[in-house]
Amino acid sequence: GAGVSQSPSNKVTEKGKDVELRCDPISGHTALYWYRQRLGQGLEFLIYFQGNSAPDKSGLPSDRFSAERTGESVSTLTIQRTQQEDSAVYLCASSLDARVYEQYFGPGTRLTVT
Amino acid sequence: DQQVKQNSPSLSVQEGRISILNCDYTNSMFDYFLWYKKYPAEGPTFLISISSIKDKNEDGRFTVFLNKSAKHLSLHIVPSQPGDSAVYFCAASALGYQLIWGAGTKLIIKP
Repeated sequence: GAGVSQSPSNKVTEKGKDVELRCDPISGHTALYWYRQRLGQGLEFLIYFQGNSAPDKSGLPSDRFSAERTGESVSTLTIQRTQQEDSAVYLCASSLDARVYEQYFGPGTRLTVT
Repeated sequence: DQQVKQNSPSLSVQEGRISILNCDYTNSMFDYFLWYKKYPAEGPTFLISISSIKDKNEDGRFTVFLNKSAKHLSLHIVPSQPGDSAVYFCAASALGYQLIWGAGTKLIIKP
């Protein structure tokens, strides 16, 4: 497909477990973003990757959150020792490059921590 | 500190009439504004944008108006159609890549 894909679409995990969320951006898009959306709220910026530059991690809420991106392709967001407040929809987006404001989103991963 | 505010959680409009969604911001450094539309279980999709050097941008049934002195923008949809029922997010940028998002307004188009 030509769009941004994310997996899994849904994830239910027990408090304290680690989870890994995956994002496949649009081919050729050098910029990749992770967001979190809690129920009834707007999107909360987590992390940004641009090419081979150092990522902007300023939005990560705690050191339990980390993300990696291999070149200009797949990215994974890892949440260690999950807490109930981590329950949210995690959205990935990509854009052609950092100068392009319009971002294209995947369908998101709904994470539920029980 | 909410820099981008959408004060109406929901809005109901008759099919064929005009829908007006509002957004207020506090950061005078914002120089680009976007509207996104989101259906359930899907990611947001880009709808229309406006640079701070303009006060209006139009694309088909969608028009965005920017009032910089009031730090206010609005999205007009004319005429409203059933497929327009969705959550609409306003977003703003001051750094070129990081978008600051409003909480969204759920638009319901009544037949």
